[in-house]
Amino acid sequence: SQTIHQWPATLVQPVGSPLSLECTVEGTSNPNLYWYRQAAGRGLQLLFYSVGIGQISSEVPQNLSASRPQDRQFILSSKKLLLSDSGFYLCAWSTPLGEQYFGPGTRLTVT
Amino acid sequence: QKEVEQDPGPLSVPEGAIVSLNCTYSNSAFQYFMWYRQYSRKGPELLMYTYSSGNKEDGRFTAQVDKSSKYISLFIRDSQPSDSATYLCAMRRNAGNNRKLIWGLGTSLAVNP
Repeated sequence: SQTIHQWPATLVQPVGSPLSLECTVEGTSNPNLYWYRQAAGRGLQLLFYSVGIGQISSEVPQNLSASRPQDRQFILSSKKLLLSDSGFYLCAWSTPLGEQYFGPGTRLTVT
Repeated sequence: QKEVEQDPGPLSVPEGAIVSLNCTYSNSAFQYFMWYRQYSRKGPELLMYTYSSGNKEDGRFTAQVDKSSKYISLFIRDSQPSDSATYLCAMRRNAGNNRKLIWGLGTSLAVNP
């Protein structure tokens, strides 16, 4: 069966510090991968998606970037965090039919 | 106008009630429809997945799609306190390799014992 991992679970970082969040998927090959952010009390905002190694599409201009160095690894990064980057970050993978399955999420607080 | 509209609630019902959650959408190209449940501080969990119009039942949950009205529903029978969560609808078109989903904002549900 497929599983998706995200770490860390919780992160508190000062403004201006770098960020690296990692997501890995097991039990499937060549999945589509997605990074979402969910602000408190708000819906899911798609940040990036990837249909293959090295293929990244950005949905909104922002302070973040994504990379996919391996088939089942997806990384979200920032060089300098802003207060507005705080939120709940979710990684997901999708089946060929489009169902998306989510990881446990990373709660980021920028202070 | 958002592509997908969902009443944020909160919706509060007594245990055992039938719950009806709804989304409307504007893009007639949507073909695949999903309902997710999200507990506080957790990732969303896929509950129901339907293609095109019709009903789909899974235990206490029934998903209904009415493409002519651009309206989807999730019914929960015999609701339990453990059903207290935020319910998100999502949908997508048939075309496109990216399989991106368009999301509702979610409805917060509280089932009171």
